[in-house]
Amino acid sequence: DVKVTQSSRYLVKRTGEKVFLECVQDMDHENMFWYRQDPGLGLRLIYFSYDVKMKEKGDIPEGYSVSREKKERFSLILESASTNQTSMYLCASSSVKGGYKEQYFGPGTRLTVT
Amino acid sequence: SQQGEEDPQALSIQEGENATMNCSYKTSINNLQWYRQNSGRGLVHLILIRSNEREKHSGRLRVTLDTSKKSSSLLITASRAADTASYFCATFIIQGAQKLVFGQGTRLTINP
Repeated sequence: DVKVTQSSRYLVKRTGEKVFLECVQDMDHENMFWYRQDPGLGLRLIYFSYDVKMKEKGDIPEGYSVSREKKERFSLILESASTNQTSMYLCASSSVKGGYKEQYFGPGTRLTVT
Repeated sequence: SQQGEEDPQALSIQEGENATMNCSYKTSINNLQWYRQNSGRGLVHLILIRSNEREKHSGRLRVTLDTSKKSSSLLITASRAADTASYFCATFIIQGAQKLVFGQGTRLTINP
């Protein structure tokens, strides 16, 4: 089974702090994604990556950056956390092989910025 | 309105009844997927239906796709308490940047 893990389930940070959210997948998937989920807004794509060292902006990249130095790891960085970044963050991965685009999700990180 | 809108937003039924959720979308798609999310957890992929398919089954799940109406439905038969969750449709769009776009979800509650 595909396993996607995220470094923390819950995280509390202060405004202005630099925050790192880590995601690791163990199925050699090419694609990795970061979403945030907010009530009434559903899942919104922040950034995604199709290969090592490659990144593409999603729908709401402002205030975020990402890093993919290894195939299995995709990091989301909040350079200077703000209260409006309080949210549930979900990482996902998928394989382009076979033409399937189903995504496998991690358990999520609930980030609170105070 | 957004690509991938679910209807209803919330549904509450008795255990054993069937639950039907609908999804509408706007642009051309490669496939449509349904996901389940238990409270406070990540999403779990349930079923994928390609744009050239009309119906697909997986256990107690039945998904239909009508590309002429740009709509899909998810039917869960003989519901169980464990089916209580949020259900999301996601469309893999093929215009512009190819990506999966999620709707806002239907909150399903199964009452014992």
